[in-house]
Amino acid sequence: KNEVEQSPQNLTAQEGEFITINCSYSVGISALHWLQQHPGGGIVSLFMLSSGKKKHGRLIATINIQEKHSSLHITASHPRDSAVYICAVTLSGGGADGLTFGKGTHLIIQP
Amino acid sequence: EAGVAQSPRYKIIEKRQSVAFWCNPISGHATLYWYQQILGQGPKLLIQFQNNGVVDDSQLPKDRFSAERLKGVDSTLKIQPAKLEDSAVYLCASSFLSGRNDEQFFGPGTRLTVL
Repeated sequence: KNEVEQSPQNLTAQEGEFITINCSYSVGISALHWLQQHPGGGIVSLFMLSSGKKKHGRLIATINIQEKHSSLHITASHPRDSAVYICAVTLSGGGADGLTFGKGTHLIIQP
Repeated sequence: EAGVAQSPRYKIIEKRQSVAFWCNPISGHATLYWYQQILGQGPKLLIQFQNNGVVDDSQLPKDRFSAERLKGVDSTLKIQPAKLEDSAVYLCASSFLSGRNDEQFFGPGTRLTVL
């Protein structure tokens, strides 16, 4: 079982719809990251959070530490939001802090 | 502020050949990571440097992969000899301090195809 699980794996929606992508993890973490990857492009960090909620423009990320669950929401979705959204965690404890990634959610927003 | 630079962007080689990738992190970033992303999967950490020291290389296939960051700035990742299963995108990332509570910045990646 992967330490970081995302759902759904694929999501197609119409422009304007409210989008939710979920992430569950099974390990102790010090932070959770949401990242965006466009086809053929590099990875861009959207959020890093360890508690509560963060908002940036139309994007909202929440985390529930007790339930080991995080969600990424996109309001008023637009075709330019089409990308792969990746949930990743930094494991708690000492030593290395490289990210442990989920497999990503492939989002397509149709006009 | 310049981002993380990587070269080459694309590389095609035959199995058993050697290949090297280069990464220049954001200026002043102490921590540098190399990740391997196989098609359809999330990236996997290969090695982490803190300045010029290795913090974690537990997932680096050391029989064929090597990496160095001699002066604590840019880094090279080498594969020798390459296998078909090494076909992937190799991502370099950096963070100012430890990534534990610090955002990681990613380069554009090097797409390797092994024939």
